[in-house]
Amino acid sequence: EVLLVQSGAEVKKPGESLKISCKGSGYSFNTFYWIGWVRQMPGKGLEWMGIIYPGDSDSRYSPSFQGQVTISADKSISTAYLQWSSLKASDTAMYYCARQATNGDYFDYWGQGTLVTVSS
Amino acid sequence: QLVLTQSPSASASLGASVKLTCALSSGHSTYAIAWHQQQPEKGPRYLMKLNSDGSHTKGDGIPDRFSGSSSGAERYLTISSLQSEDEADYYCQTWGTGIRVFGGGTKLTVL
Repeated sequence: EVLLVQSGAEVKKPGESLKISCKGSGYSFNTFYWIGWVRQMPGKGLEWMGIIYPGDSDSRYSPSFQGQVTISADKSISTAYLQWSSLKASDTAMYYCARQATNGDYFDYWGQGTLVTVSS
Repeated sequence: QLVLTQSPSASASLGASVKLTCALSSGHSTYAIAWHQQQPEKGPRYLMKLNSDGSHTKGDGIPDRFSGSSSGAERYLTISSLQSEDEADYYCQTWGTGIRVFGGGTKLTVL
């Protein structure tokens, strides 16, 4: 069974740093599949942020998120990460990781989500 | 510019059928899409990949009540024999060279 398990909810202050994680299992995490991150702000739709290929850490970003976040992966522990160096209140959202299919750039499995709340 | 357009809301009665639409922007009528379901307070779930010819590949465990079809630049998700648990937001997703986008989502209410 393919599973993507994300780290728990976080409450942070503006200016703080944060790294959330997504651990994959039930498939070959390091080969064939990219892992992506998606933002969902409160009451809003899904926004594609970026993806990473864990095998060689090649990453791509949406222009909207380039320079705002960093996506990384540690293939030795089948885990992808999304990190911020300086959070803003506007980063408050639910963040989902998802596995990209091999026959198209769409997501075929999703994590359960990590809620990030940034408030002073 | 690659854009997906969805109606913000739809409704249908319990046991009936509903057809949701995802429209591809001009010049992108041959693109495949994927449909995702997001039930209240839950994460999204992949439903199916839908090609321009109407062929589709469903995700694990997706009931036969869910089907897809295509016509021109429009991609459809049909849900038959509506159940209460089908009340959810439905998103389409597509991709092109260096771009991946989601539609704005359709909120389906089961009456």
